[in-house]
Amino acid sequence: AQKITQTQPGMFVQEKEAVTLDCTYDTSDQSYGLFWYKQPSSGEMIFLIYQGSYDEQNATEGRYSLNFQKARKSANLVISASQLGDSAMYFCAMREPLSGYSTLTFGKGTMLLVSP
Amino acid sequence: NAGVTQTPKFRVLKTGQSMTLLCAQDMNHEYMYWYRQDPGMGLRLIHYSVGEGTTAKGEVPDGYNVSRLKKQNFLLGLESAAPSQTSVYFCASSYSGGIDEQYFGPGTRLTVT
Repeated sequence: AQKITQTQPGMFVQEKEAVTLDCTYDTSDQSYGLFWYKQPSSGEMIFLIYQGSYDEQNATEGRYSLNFQKARKSANLVISASQLGDSAMYFCAMREPLSGYSTLTFGKGTMLLVSP
Repeated sequence: NAGVTQTPKFRVLKTGQSMTLLCAQDMNHEYMYWYRQDPGMGLRLIHYSVGEGTTAKGEVPDGYNVSRLKKQNFLLGLESAAPSQTSVYFCASSYSGGIDEQYFGPGTRLTVT
């Protein structure tokens, strides 16, 4: 079974609208972390936001927020007020457990296109 | 402060040739990683290191070797390149595991013909 599932291969949104990118995960660990990365067409990987499994509040970073629903095992990325520069591939990733020599497992990504 | 750098940026190899990809970081990070990215597959971990002199296998280690002789450098070797190793390779580093984010290099696009 996939550890990270991103069901939306592509998403379209108009500039200034909000968009939600879905991510579900599979783990039996109690301690884990969820990360979102952005990859623009230039290719670099840019860290956006982090949510720990024990964090009681949803993480926010500027226009990015993470809708964390632990019981549903989902960690959706919400981008408010989309901008043209948000057009990129977005990857959800998980590290489990948070202690020890654990590594990141990435989903297959969602391509977001923002239109004027 | 250059962050994470990768050498080379592009390379074309013939089947059976060997090469080494160099990753360097100047952030004094303990952990370093090598990933490959293929269309529709996301990033998959090849090998990683949790400190100088240590290496460990990731999800897709076959056909690759690594070395971490110095803390700031992490080398990825292909001893006998195969067309299936055509990919974009990313190096990353982090201060530790846990909640620390990984910082990525710009990537190396490798084509094996």
